[in-house]
Amino acid sequence: QITLKESGPTLVKPTQTLTLTCTFSGFSLTTYQMGVAWIRQPPGKALEWLALIYWNDGKRYRPSLKSRLTITKDSSESHVVLTMTNMAPVDSGTYFCAQVRGRWAQFASWGQGITVAVSS
Amino acid sequence: SYVLTQPPSVSVAPGKTARISCGGDDIGAYSVHWYQQRPGQAPVLVVNDDSDRPSGIPERFSGTNSGNTATLTISRVEAGDEADYYCQVWDSSSDHPVLFGGGTKLTVL
Repeated sequence: QITLKESGPTLVKPTQTLTLTCTFSGFSLTTYQMGVAWIRQPPGKALEWLALIYWNDGKRYRPSLKSRLTITKDSSESHVVLTMTNMAPVDSGTYFCAQVRGRWAQFASWGQGITVAVSS
Repeated sequence: SYVLTQPPSVSVAPGKTARISCGGDDIGAYSVHWYQQRPGQAPVLVVNDDSDRPSGIPERFSGTNSGNTATLTISRVEAGDEADYYCQVWDSSSDHPVLFGGGTKLTVL
């Protein structure tokens, strides 16, 4: 059974850095074409892809946020961490991590999401 | 940059067939994935690679992709199908490789 769970702060102040952790089980990030992605969803709005990291440590970022985002995987490869600097109220929303699978990057399994508010 | 266009809303009576479109320039050249998101829940993959169904997804869900339009078809619609649906593609050659459509709210009348 594949599970993913997001953890981190639910409230951050403007200009602070957000650090979110995705803890997963049931698959390995050493498997070919496997990856983990972060997606967010502002309240009442559509899904926005943020970043993804692959089994081979390949990384891709949303161009408009690239300067603020960093995605890493830890040595045990069962955690993926996303950091986003200089948070602003427009960054409020629900942040999901998802398993990335296949040649065409389907998001096969998702975490439950974590809701983050940016407010002073 | 590449854009995926979905209708904001689709309404259908129970037992009927719902069709949700996802438009994009030559989208037929891409593999399209579809996600269902019920209120307050995480998205769930319902169709991958244009027309494949993940394990556990009912046969009522199907997909096609050709030309400039991909379509998610839900047959014999049930009340529990009421949700937001998103299409998604991967373009490895783009600096923005993951694209989602704007989402379609399916209302079961």
